[in-house]
Amino acid sequence: EDQVTQSPEALRLQEGESSSLNCSYTVSGLRGLFWYRQDPGKGPEFLFTLYSAGEEKEKERLKATLTKKESFLHITAPKPEDSATYLCAVQAEGAQKLVFGQGTRLTINP
Amino acid sequence: KAGVTQTPRYLIKTRGQQVTLSCSPISGHRSVSWYQQTPGQGLQFLFEYFSETQRNKGNFPGRFSGRQFSNSRSEMNVSTLELGDSALYLCASSLGNSGGTKETQYFGPGTRLLVL
Repeated sequence: EDQVTQSPEALRLQEGESSSLNCSYTVSGLRGLFWYRQDPGKGPEFLFTLYSAGEEKEKERLKATLTKKESFLHITAPKPEDSATYLCAVQAEGAQKLVFGQGTRLTINP
Repeated sequence: KAGVTQTPRYLIKTRGQQVTLSCSPISGHRSVSWYQQTPGQGLQFLFEYFSETQRNKGNFPGRFSGRQFSNSRSEMNVSTLELGDSALYLCASSLGNSGGTKETQYFGPGTRLLVL
């Protein structure tokens, strides 16, 4: 069964303090690994898709990386507006459904 | 390009009633997937529709059903509501390409359902 585990569950940082979020996964064959950001009361907002080990993608202060067993979301010099829950999901080969982790709740204090 | 829209945004029902939720996908997207989000279980896949046919189904009871229209708009129905059905219901749209081709699901704002 496809499975995604995210750590930590919650992370509190000071503005400007860089850190990384982890997403460990098991999947029968990876079609894609997705990162979303979700603000309270809203739907998930797409950030990145990674398809193969070694791939990296960047957007502003965020950088996502992928290995055969896990993905990291690195956040550099975060700002308070980066506070949100970050969700990781995998999609297996031939499948349409996304299997989500429980998310990491990130809080950036000014 | 307009995003995924869902109506209504909020809904309060009582146990035993039924409810219908609506989702309009991004223009050109033919696949609509539905997810249930709760604090305890997180985001769980309900089903996916493509070209008016249910293509994939998650592990939910038969009380949860859906349909898709020729314009790709989708509805989800929950009959005989239970307290545990209280959740944020999210729909996501994508092009619907199968196999190894790459594609991304884009989510709507969700419908918050409260069952009393």
